[in-house]
Amino acid sequence: RKEVEQDPGPFNVPEGATVAFNCTYSNSASQSFFWYRQDCRKEPKLLMSVYSSGNEDGRFTAQLNRASQYISLLIRDSKLSDSATYLCVVTHTGRRALTFGSGTRLQVQP
Amino acid sequence: GAVVSQHPSRVICKSGTSVKIECRSLDFQATTMFWYRQFPKQSLMLMATSNEGSKATYEQGVEKDKFLINHASLTLSTLTVTSAHPEDSSFYICSATSGGIQETQYFGPGTRLLVL
Repeated sequence: RKEVEQDPGPFNVPEGATVAFNCTYSNSASQSFFWYRQDCRKEPKLLMSVYSSGNEDGRFTAQLNRASQYISLLIRDSKLSDSATYLCVVTHTGRRALTFGSGTRLQVQP
Repeated sequence: GAVVSQHPSRVICKSGTSVKIECRSLDFQATTMFWYRQFPKQSLMLMATSNEGSKATYEQGVEKDKFLINHASLTLSTLTVTSAHPEDSSFYICSATSGGIQETQYFGPGTRLLVL
């Protein structure tokens, strides 16, 4: 079983739609949580950190449920430029490297 | 934000040759650099953690004699793929961190290696 699991998609949505991605992690010692965005053939870029209380950054809202070991990302009013692969990422206590999910691909269509 | 560069951005080489990839932190001192590898349609997988002035720590299944890592200064780490084979063809990405409480990792743009 992968340590960080994501639905690979693709999610094909029209512009303006709201789309949600989910992620589960298996290691209960996971400490920090992030969503990264990766464009085709590029490096991943930090989209936002995820906090237990939930957090919002413009059109993006992230939620963390430690009890269920579940992370979500909600994108409202999708733009064409949101098309990318969204990576769920965690760190563990005592380990500084990032552990990546395999990503969920989003394609926003005009 | 902090900038991390990688060189070369892409390389094509013959099987059996060695390839060196450089990772530089341009505007901060990186106490730790991480090397990841990403095969098509897969997630980034950590290969090794590199601390300045000490030996790298390799992940299980990564051959330290094949993937030589040197972190000789606070701004430069190198990964050398020795005797590369077609199965080493991949996207190699480094990240660098200066430490601290938040310890944000800044990624380089990646190096695409194709071994013929």
